[in-house]
This record gives sequence, C-alpha cells and structure tokens, in this order.
Amino acid sequence: EVQLVASGGGLAHPGRSLRLSCAASGFTFDDFAMHWVRQAPGKGLEWVAGISWNSLSIVYVDSVKGRFTISRDNAKNSLYLEMNSLRTEDTAFYYCTKGSTIAARRLGWFAPWGQGTLVPVSS
Amino acid sequence: QSVLTQPPSASGTPGQSVTISCSGSSSNIGSNTINWYHQVPGTAPKLLIYNTSQRPSGVPGRVSASKSGSSASLAISGLQSEDEADYYCATWDDSLNAWVFGGGTKLTVL
Repeated sequence: EVQLVASGGGLAHPGRSLRLSCAASGFTFDDFAMHWVRQAPGKGLEWVAGISWNSLSIVYVDSVKGRFTISRDNAKNSLYLEMNSLRTEDTAFYYCTKGSTIAARRLGWFAPWGQGTLVPVSS
Repeated sequence: QSVLTQPPSASGTPGQSVTISCSGSSSNIGSNTINWYHQVPGTAPKLLIYNTSQRPSGVPGRVSASKSGSSASLAISGLQSEDEADYYCATWDDSLNAWVFGGGTKLTVL
C-alpha cells in the first residue's frame, strides 16, 4: 500500500522558516515525480511545487518562487519543502502527493495524497 | 481567483444526476488532459478522474467526465449521500508553467 506521511508543520512567525518532510513507502520512490499542494483553511486546493524523479526538473507556483525550495532524497524515500520568508498567506494544510509519471510538468495526475500537515503563520 | 472556473456549489436529490463544469482556456484545458479530485471535508483529496475521462479502480461507473475545447465537465448519476464532497478540476497550464486547480464545487445531496 502506498503511504505518504507528511510532518514538520507547526506555528511559524512571519519571516521565519520551516521545513516540511514527507516519508514515502509502498512504491518505487525514484520512479515518480512528487508534489506539494496546499489548502488554506476553508479554501480550495493550490499546487505549490513539483520535482521530477531525478530532481533535474523543478517547478513552483509564482507566489512561492524564491522563498520555497522543493527537494527529494531518493535514498531515503523522502520529499522535502523548505519554506523561507513565510507570510501569513502561506497558512495552510500542506499535502504531499505522488505524481503518476517521472515528470513534474504537464503529464499525469496526483495520487495518492498524504494526510497533510498544518502550517499556521502568525505573529 | 482560480485559473479554472467552477461553480461554487451544486446539489441534487438521491438518485438524480448532477454535472459540474470546469472552464479554462487554450493554455490549460484546451491543451492538456484534465484530472478531477474529490475531498470530504477534514480528509485528504482523492483522485476521481484522470486523463480527462478515465476512472481509477474503485470509482463507480456512474461517475463520468469529458472535455470539449477549453471546458470540462464531471457528471455523477444516481446521486448517493456518500457523493457529498468538494470536487476540484485540475490540469497543467502551458502559459503559467504550473499545475492549476479550479476553485472547487461543493456538492450537496439534499
């Protein structure tokens, strides 16, 4: 069974940093792209970032470019999201999700999704 | 404001059919396949439809989807109380170089 377990969420102050992790199991991790998708409380889904199987192709939503960094460690079956210069509008549940292809762009779909980790950004 | 436009709400009575629309442009729906996700509040989203019209195993045949030009639609027939959820369309946008979601449609089974 594919499992994605996100961790690292918690209260952060504006301007500070936080690192999210996602532990993957039940599939060959380095055969697939991975993504982070967030959801502000009571709001819709927003894709945040994606990384190809070999980390050579990385894409971000404009609102996090230059502040967030997605990375992966295939040896540890783990996905990460380094979030710097946090803003109150970054407050959300952050979900890690598995792509259906090796590519982070254009192709495929997201399944399954982890349980999400909450990142409230507040002073 | 989302790149893909969905109605905020939809409803139907048990047994009825409902259709949820998703409107985009030539750079997203018009050029790429569509995926649909559903989410029961308080839980993680789940894939409902992939590659515009394909159902993952476990999704019943009364759920279908299609695309025409820059618009897509999700249809659910024989509505059941378990269909109450939020529904999101999603695709790749060639101009934004990003994945985009619709704003979501809350389906209520009356």
